Amino acid sequence: RKEVEQDPGPFNVPEGATVAFNCTYSNSASQSFFWYRQDCRKEPKLLMSVYSSGNEDGRFTAQLNRASQYISLLIRDSKLSDSATYLCVVNTGNYGQNFVFGPGTRLSVLP
Amino acid sequence: GAVVSQHPSRVICKSGTSVKIECRSLDFQATTMFWYRQFPKQSLMLMATSNEGSKATYEQGVEKDKFLINHASLTLSTLTVTSAHPEDSSFYICSAEGLAGSSYEQYFGPGTRLTVT
Repeated sequence: RKEVEQDPGPFNVPEGATVAFNCTYSNSASQSFFWYRQDCRKEPKLLMSVYSSGNEDGRFTAQLNRASQYISLLIRDSKLSDSATYLCVVNTGNYGQNFVFGPGTRLSVLP
Repeated sequence: GAVVSQHPSRVICKSGTSVKIECRSLDFQATTMFWYRQFPKQSLMLMATSNEGSKATYEQGVEKDKFLINHASLTLSTLTVTSAHPEDSSFYICSAEGLAGSSYEQYFGPGTRLTVT
């Protein structure tokens, strides 16, 4: 089993749709969790950290369920500019030395 | 947010030559930097972890003699692809680790696209 798994995608959704990304991780000792977005041929950029209490940033909501080892990202009212690959990232180290990337899920928001 | 630069952004070289890629943290000190490689339509794959003042730790399957890493200062790490071959053509991305609040985050450089002809 891979350390971090994500929905295979791609997701093709119309503008304004709500889209959910799912991610599971295998290492129960994982310390911190992130969602990154990566545009085509560019480096990943941090979208948001994921906290146990869940967190929201505008149209984006991230949730963490440690018991199920599951992370989610919800995008509401999707925009064309949201089209990208979304990477789930898990830090399994105590001192930030083991960031493991999921394979990513590609999102295309269609007009 | 923290800024990480990479140089060059794009390089084309002939088979058998060596290419050096620089990764700099511009506004913070990074004791740890990471080197990733990404092939088209695939996720990032960690190649090695670079610690300032010590030898890099390579992931399984990554040849340390082919991918030379030097982390000489708290703001600079270099990756040298020695005797490059066409199969080394890829997108190489570095990241630097920084403390943000109570957790560590990775700040990525813009990447270097290497094409070996």
